[in-house]
Amino acid sequence: QQQVKQSPQSLIVQKGGIPIINCAYENTAFDYFPWYQQFPGKGPALLIAIRPDVSEKKEGRFTISFNKSAKQFSLHIMDSQPGDSATYFCAARTSMFGGTSYGKLTFGQGTILTVHP
Amino acid sequence: DTAVSQTPKYLVTQMGNDKSIKCEQNLGHDTMYWYKQDSKKFLKIMFSYNNKELIINETVPNRFSPKSPDKAHLNLHINSLELGDSAVYFCASSPTLGNTEAFFGQGTRLTVV
Repeated sequence: QQQVKQSPQSLIVQKGGIPIINCAYENTAFDYFPWYQQFPGKGPALLIAIRPDVSEKKEGRFTISFNKSAKQFSLHIMDSQPGDSATYFCAARTSMFGGTSYGKLTFGQGTILTVHP
Repeated sequence: DTAVSQTPKYLVTQMGNDKSIKCEQNLGHDTMYWYKQDSKKFLKIMFSYNNKELIINETVPNRFSPKSPDKAHLNLHINSLELGDSAVYFCASSPTLGNTEAFFGQGTRLTVV
C-alpha cells in the first residue's frame, strides 16, 4: 500500500521556470514532511521540511506548501537552474502515535526533474 | 570527513552467496537505518536502530540481518542472496528517533548474478 503518492513521475522545465511537485497522503499519524534531493550516484539529502501546523515554508528558492485538510503538500522551486536537475522525493514521518513505526519515513515514488539551460 | 560512510560502494556476487555491507556514522547520532532503493528508485525502509536497539523491522525476509555493535555502526548481512535482492542499499542516521532529519550514506549498489 503506497501511503505517500507523488506526482509527476518526471518533469522537464526551462531554466528560470517553476517546477511544482505534488504529494498526497492518507495516514493521519504522519507529523513531519521532508523533501529530499538525490543526484545520480549519491544518497538522498534533506532539502526542506514542514510540520502540519504550518501552511508554507520557504528556504531560498525552495518552498513547501501544505494543505492539512486535503492531506496534500507540494514543493515549488523558484527560478530553477540546471544544477537543480535531480530526483526529488517527498516523505512523511510516522509520529509517536504510530506505535512501533515511530520515526519511520515513508517516501513517495520520486520525481525526476530536468532543467534545461 | 564523510558523515555516513558505507562499504563497499559496489558489490557484485552470485546467487546463493552471503555478503555484508558496513555502515559507520561520525555524527554522534542515536538512530541508524537501512533503506532499499529498487530499480525504479523507490526508497523503502528496512530497519531502524536506536542506541543499538532494533526499533523498526519492516517485512523484510529473514535472510537480511542487521547488527549494531555500537550506536555508530549498523551493518547489514544478507544470506543466500537472490536475484531480487539487487538494488541500492542506503544507510542513514538521524540525531534521535523522533528527529528524523536523516543523513544518508552514498549507497551500496548490490548486483546479484
